Amino acid sequence: GQQLNQSPQSMFIQEGEDVSMNCTSSSIFNTWLWYKQDPGEGPVLLIALYKAGELTSNGRLTAQFGITRKDSFLNISASIPSDVGIYFCAGRRYGGATNKLIFGTGTLLAVQP
Amino acid sequence: DSGVTQTPKHLITATGQRVTLRCSPRSGDLSVYWYQQSLDQGLQFLIQYYNGEERAKGNILERFSAQQFPDLHSELNLSSLELGDSALYFCASSVGRDGAEAFFGQGTRLTVV
Repeated sequence: GQQLNQSPQSMFIQEGEDVSMNCTSSSIFNTWLWYKQDPGEGPVLLIALYKAGELTSNGRLTAQFGITRKDSFLNISASIPSDVGIYFCAGRRYGGATNKLIFGTGTLLAVQP
Repeated sequence: DSGVTQTPKHLITATGQRVTLRCSPRSGDLSVYWYQQSLDQGLQFLIQYYNGEERAKGNILERFSAQQFPDLHSELNLSSLELGDSALYFCASSVGRDGAEAFFGQGTRLTVV
Protein backbone atom coordinates (compact mmCIF):
# COMPACT_ATOMS: atom_id res chain seq x y z
CA GLY A 1 0.00 0.00 0.00
CA GLN A 2 0.97 3.61 -0.47
CA GLN A 3 2.66 5.50 2.35
CA LEU A 4 4.15 8.94 2.63
CA ASN A 5 7.83 9.36 3.46
CA GLN A 6 8.21 10.54 7.03
CA SER A 7 11.46 11.40 8.78
CA PRO A 8 13.11 10.79 11.02
CA GLN A 9 11.96 7.23 11.72
CA SER A 10 12.70 7.67 15.41
CA MET A 11 13.99 10.28 17.81
CA PHE A 12 15.37 9.93 21.32
CA ILE A 13 15.57 13.26 23.10
CA GLN A 14 15.84 14.82 26.52
CA GLU A 15 12.90 16.48 28.19
CA GLY A 16 12.78 20.16 27.29
CA GLU A 17 14.28 19.78 23.83
CA ASP A 18 12.49 20.88 20.67
CA VAL A 19 11.53 18.31 18.04
CA SER A 20 11.07 18.58 14.28
CA MET A 21 9.74 15.99 11.89
CA ASN A 22 8.57 16.13 8.30
CA CYS A 23 6.58 14.32 5.71
CA THR A 24 7.12 14.35 1.96
CA SER A 25 5.23 13.10 -1.03
CA SER A 26 5.76 12.89 -4.76
CA SER A 27 2.13 13.97 -5.22
CA ILE A 28 0.27 17.14 -4.37
CA PHE A 29 -2.11 17.07 -1.43
CA ASN A 30 -4.97 19.39 -0.56
CA THR A 31 -4.99 18.58 3.14
CA TRP A 32 -2.33 17.58 5.63
CA LEU A 33 -3.09 16.13 9.04
CA TRP A 34 -0.87 15.19 11.95
CA TYR A 35 -1.83 12.41 14.35
CA LYS A 36 -0.28 10.96 17.49
CA GLN A 37 -0.71 7.31 18.43
CA ASP A 38 -0.03 5.90 21.88
CA PRO A 39 0.62 2.16 22.28
CA GLY A 40 -2.58 0.15 21.98
CA GLU A 41 -4.64 3.20 21.10
CA GLY A 42 -6.01 4.76 17.96
CA PRO A 43 -4.43 7.79 16.29
CA VAL A 44 -5.48 11.10 17.81
CA LEU A 45 -5.77 14.14 15.56
CA LEU A 46 -3.37 16.92 16.56
CA ILE A 47 -3.45 19.49 13.77
CA ALA A 48 -5.19 19.88 10.40
CA LEU A 49 -3.87 22.05 7.56
CA TYR A 50 -5.91 23.07 4.52
CA LYS A 51 -3.92 25.72 2.61
CA ALA A 52 -0.44 25.79 1.12
CA GLY A 53 1.84 27.83 3.37
CA GLU A 54 -0.55 27.57 6.33
CA LEU A 55 1.09 27.55 9.76
CA THR A 56 -1.07 26.29 12.61
CA SER A 57 -0.35 25.83 16.30
CA ASN A 58 -1.92 23.67 18.97
CA GLY A 59 -0.23 24.41 22.27
CA ARG A 60 3.41 23.41 22.01
CA LEU A 61 2.80 21.88 18.57
CA THR A 62 3.20 23.82 15.34
CA ALA A 63 2.64 22.39 11.87
CA GLN A 64 3.09 23.84 8.41
CA PHE A 65 1.61 22.98 5.02
CA GLY A 66 4.47 23.19 2.53
CA ILE A 67 4.25 25.71 -0.28
CA THR A 68 4.76 23.03 -2.92
CA ARG A 69 1.82 21.07 -1.41
CA LYS A 70 4.10 18.05 -1.35
CA ASP A 71 5.32 18.29 2.22
CA SER A 72 4.43 19.17 5.77
CA PHE A 73 6.34 19.77 8.99
CA LEU A 74 5.57 19.28 12.66
CA ASN A 75 7.48 20.93 15.48
CA ILE A 76 7.10 20.21 19.17
CA SER A 77 8.63 22.73 21.55
CA ALA A 78 9.88 22.04 25.06
CA SER A 79 9.09 18.32 24.94
CA ILE A 80 7.71 16.53 27.99
CA PRO A 81 7.52 12.80 28.80
CA SER A 82 3.87 12.52 27.73
CA ASP A 83 4.88 13.50 24.19
CA VAL A 84 6.16 9.94 23.81
CA GLY A 85 4.39 8.07 21.03
CA ILE A 86 4.30 7.60 17.29
CA TYR A 87 3.50 10.64 15.17
CA PHE A 88 1.89 10.16 11.79
CA CYS A 89 1.32 12.60 9.00
CA ALA A 90 -1.56 12.02 6.63
CA GLY A 91 -2.36 13.61 3.32
CA ARG A 92 -5.54 13.80 1.34
CA ARG A 93 -6.00 14.68 -2.30
CA TYR A 94 -8.99 15.09 -4.53
CA GLY A 95 -9.57 13.50 -7.84
CA GLY A 96 -9.92 9.98 -9.13
CA ALA A 97 -12.28 7.46 -7.67
CA THR A 98 -10.89 7.58 -4.16
CA ASN A 99 -11.13 10.01 -1.36
CA LYS A 100 -8.94 8.84 1.44
CA LEU A 101 -6.14 9.65 3.80
CA ILE A 102 -2.68 8.36 2.97
CA PHE A 103 -0.55 7.97 6.07
CA GLY A 104 3.13 8.46 6.60
CA THR A 105 5.45 5.77 7.91
CA GLY A 106 5.48 7.32 11.38
CA THR A 107 8.07 8.90 13.66
CA LEU A 108 8.66 7.24 17.01
CA LEU A 109 9.42 9.82 19.68
CA ALA A 110 11.01 8.88 22.98
CA VAL A 111 11.53 11.55 25.65
CA GLN A 112 13.86 10.96 28.53
CA PRO A 113 12.99 12.82 31.73
CA ASP B 1 -12.03 9.73 24.12
CA SER B 2 -12.66 10.31 20.41
CA GLY B 3 -16.30 9.28 20.61
CA VAL B 4 -15.76 6.42 18.16
CA THR B 5 -16.45 3.03 19.73
CA GLN B 6 -15.06 -0.24 18.46
CA THR B 7 -15.76 -3.75 19.64
CA PRO B 8 -14.27 -6.11 20.46
CA LYS B 9 -10.94 -4.70 21.59
CA HIS B 10 -9.16 -8.02 21.07
CA LEU B 11 -10.00 -11.03 18.94
CA ILE B 12 -8.13 -14.30 18.56
CA THR B 13 -9.32 -16.75 15.95
CA ALA B 14 -8.08 -19.59 13.78
CA THR B 15 -7.19 -19.55 10.11
CA GLY B 16 -10.15 -20.07 7.82
CA GLN B 17 -12.60 -18.52 10.23
CA ARG B 18 -14.81 -15.47 9.81
CA VAL B 19 -15.09 -12.53 12.22
CA THR B 20 -17.10 -9.34 12.44
CA LEU B 21 -15.75 -6.09 13.81
CA ARG B 22 -18.15 -3.41 14.94
CA CYS B 23 -17.90 0.36 14.96
CA SER B 24 -20.15 3.12 16.29
CA PRO B 25 -19.20 6.53 14.89
CA ARG B 26 -19.21 9.80 16.79
CA SER B 27 -22.65 11.27 17.26
CA GLY B 28 -23.57 13.21 14.13
CA ASP B 29 -20.87 11.73 11.90
CA LEU B 30 -22.15 10.22 8.69
CA SER B 31 -18.90 8.85 7.30
CA VAL B 32 -17.20 5.72 8.58
CA TYR B 33 -13.76 4.62 7.45
CA TRP B 34 -12.00 1.33 8.07
CA TYR B 35 -8.21 1.11 8.28
CA GLN B 36 -5.80 -1.76 8.77
CA GLN B 37 -2.54 -1.20 10.62
CA SER B 38 0.28 -3.72 10.44
CA LEU B 39 3.98 -3.40 11.17
CA ASP B 40 5.07 -3.78 7.56
CA GLN B 41 2.29 -1.86 5.80
CA GLY B 42 1.48 0.91 8.25
CA LEU B 43 -2.00 2.41 8.26
CA GLN B 44 -3.86 1.39 5.12
CA PHE B 45 -7.29 2.63 4.10
CA LEU B 46 -9.75 -0.17 3.42
CA ILE B 47 -13.17 1.32 2.75
CA GLN B 48 -15.44 4.29 3.45
CA TYR B 49 -19.20 4.43 3.91
CA TYR B 50 -21.23 7.60 3.90
CA ASN B 51 -24.79 7.58 5.20
CA GLY B 52 -25.22 3.89 4.43
CA GLU B 53 -23.65 3.88 0.99
CA GLU B 54 -20.17 2.78 -0.03
CA ARG B 55 -18.23 5.94 -0.84
CA ALA B 56 -14.64 4.88 -1.51
CA LYS B 57 -12.61 1.72 -1.65
CA GLY B 58 -8.97 1.28 -0.84
CA ASN B 59 -6.80 -1.78 -0.43
CA ILE B 60 -9.57 -4.06 0.73
CA LEU B 61 -9.32 -7.75 -0.06
CA GLU B 62 -12.22 -9.58 -1.68
CA ARG B 63 -12.43 -11.75 1.47
CA PHE B 64 -13.32 -8.60 3.41
CA SER B 65 -16.58 -6.72 3.25
CA ALA B 66 -18.27 -3.96 5.17
CA GLN B 67 -21.61 -2.29 5.56
CA GLN B 68 -23.12 0.69 7.30
CA PHE B 69 -26.53 0.32 8.87
CA PRO B 70 -29.40 2.85 9.11
CA ASP B 71 -28.31 3.80 12.63
CA LEU B 72 -24.89 4.58 11.05
CA HIS B 73 -22.94 1.93 12.90
CA SER B 74 -20.70 -0.14 10.67
CA GLU B 75 -19.40 -3.68 10.57
CA LEU B 76 -16.31 -5.04 8.89
CA ASN B 77 -16.51 -8.72 8.00
CA LEU B 78 -13.31 -10.67 7.51
CA SER B 79 -13.61 -14.19 6.14
CA SER B 80 -11.33 -17.10 5.25
CA LEU B 81 -8.83 -15.57 7.62
CA GLU B 82 -5.12 -16.02 7.04
CA LEU B 83 -2.18 -15.50 9.37
CA GLY B 84 -1.30 -12.35 7.46
CA ASP B 85 -4.62 -10.77 8.38
CA SER B 86 -3.41 -10.34 11.93
CA ALA B 87 -3.34 -6.60 12.49
CA LEU B 88 -4.97 -3.69 14.24
CA TYR B 89 -8.22 -2.65 12.57
CA PHE B 90 -9.33 0.90 13.13
CA CYS B 91 -12.60 2.58 12.46
CA ALA B 92 -12.72 6.34 12.00
CA SER B 93 -15.59 8.72 11.46
CA SER B 94 -16.10 12.22 10.16
CA VAL B 95 -18.99 14.59 9.73
CA GLY B 96 -19.11 15.01 5.99
CA ARG B 97 -18.76 12.87 2.94
CA ASP B 98 -15.27 14.14 2.22
CA GLY B 99 -14.23 15.07 5.74
CA ALA B 100 -10.49 15.04 6.21
CA GLU B 101 -10.69 15.37 9.98
CA ALA B 102 -11.35 11.76 10.78
CA PHE B 103 -11.49 10.69 14.41
CA PHE B 104 -10.29 7.20 15.21
CA GLY B 105 -11.56 4.55 17.57
CA GLN B 106 -9.27 2.53 19.83
CA GLY B 107 -9.09 -0.31 17.36
CA THR B 108 -9.59 -4.06 17.35
CA ARG B 109 -6.49 -6.18 17.60
CA LEU B 110 -7.05 -9.30 15.50
CA THR B 111 -4.76 -12.26 15.95
CA VAL B 112 -5.13 -15.18 13.57
CA VAL B 113 -3.50 -18.38 14.77
